[in-house]
Amino acid sequence: AQSVAQPEDQVNVAEGNPLTVKCTYSVSGNPYLFWYVQYPNRGLQFLLKYITGDNLVKGSYGFEAEFNKSQTSFHLKKPSALVSDSALYFCAVRDKGTGFQKLVFGTGTRLLVSP
Amino acid sequence: DAMVIQNPRYQVTQFGKPVTLSCSQTLNHNVMYWYQQKSSQAPKLLFHYYDKDFNNEADTPDNFQSRRPNTSFCFLDIRSPGLGDAAMYLCATSRLTGDTQYFGPGTRLTVL
Repeated sequence: AQSVAQPEDQVNVAEGNPLTVKCTYSVSGNPYLFWYVQYPNRGLQFLLKYITGDNLVKGSYGFEAEFNKSQTSFHLKKPSALVSDSALYFCAVRDKGTGFQKLVFGTGTRLLVSP
Repeated sequence: DAMVIQNPRYQVTQFGKPVTLSCSQTLNHNVMYWYQQKSSQAPKLLFHYYDKDFNNEADTPDNFQSRRPNTSFCFLDIRSPGLGDAAMYLCATSRLTGDTQYFGPGTRLTVL
């Protein structure tokens, strides 16, 4: 069964500095990987995904993530953080196997960007 | 704009009083999902529909039911809400089961 680990409950960064939110995964086959962001009392908003191809994936709002198969990681990055990036970030994985493969979410990482 | 809509955004019910949450989509997606999310935890999949084909997760309590009368609408029925059912309920859609899921804004359910 697939699983996702987000080792940091919270990440603090100053506005203008680069940010990284970590994610590692475990699947039996090849992964589909996703990042979502959630603002208070809102649904999850899709940021980016890795399916195949280039290991560096670019997404919405200047975010990007790098797929590293050997380290089974898919860390989310942004070169210059904004205060408005402060939110809860979820990494998710599903196996590429046949049939229905459930999307499994990590426990989330709260990003706090200070002015 | 194409989107996933959930109504109401906030729902208060009494212990044991049935409640229905609504989700609609203009994306014309084949798959609709219901998730339960407690206190900023990871969303937990309750069930999903592929067209009219209903798929329940093994650990979803019998208290939770769903209906999908047409492509656009899907309902979550909680037959006898308990205090432990207070949560944010998220609806999501995808074109196919392997595709990106797009979420609605959620309904926050309070059980008194």
